[in-house]
Amino acid sequence: TQLLEQSPQFLSIQEGENLTVYCNSSSVFSSLQWYRQEPGEGPVLLVTVVTGGEVKKLKRLTFQFGDARKDSSLHITAAQPGDTGLYLCAGDNYGQNFVFGPGTRLSVLP
Amino acid sequence: NAGVMQNPRHLVRRRGQEARLRCSPMKGHSHVYWYRQLPEEGLKFMVYLQKENIIDESGMPKERFSAEFPKEGPSILRIQQVVRGDSAAYFCASSPADRLPLHFGNGTRLTVT
Repeated sequence: TQLLEQSPQFLSIQEGENLTVYCNSSSVFSSLQWYRQEPGEGPVLLVTVVTGGEVKKLKRLTFQFGDARKDSSLHITAAQPGDTGLYLCAGDNYGQNFVFGPGTRLSVLP
Repeated sequence: NAGVMQNPRHLVRRRGQEARLRCSPMKGHSHVYWYRQLPEEGLKFMVYLQKENIIDESGMPKERFSAEFPKEGPSILRIQQVVRGDSAAYFCASSPADRLPLHFGNGTRLTVT
């Protein structure tokens, strides 16, 4: 069974701070997605990374896929209260299904 | 999220009753995935279906749980003889083809009393 680990599990920071959250596995994935989920709603796709070493930017969010396609990081610059939510990474298990990590719960305080 | 429709949003069942959860995928999507989420946890894969076919049900309990995605109509996740441990949020996601990112609905929150 492929497993994804995410760290930290919880993160509480002040508005304006920078942060990085991590997604790690011992397995290789064909692609990896990051989602954000808010209370009472379903996860919303933020980005997909496919190539080892790939870096993608989405406004203040920077996503990186590890060279070996086993891990990924999400860096947020100048966090805002609107960034609060559960950040989930999901690995594409070569077409069989998508494996989700347990998530990092981020709270950005004004 | 608005594209994938799940209903009901909230469902309360007594122990022993049946729960039927419905999911209408986004228009043009023929691949449906069901996930279960407990409070403060991530998503656990249950089943992956295409029209009229179950592709992967490795995450679904062998007893009491079943899923279908008929040629016409929504995908149904059915839980028979519910127990308190079945209480969770159940999310459906769809994609236009396999190995593409998933689009999620807003879930059905099942409470078993």
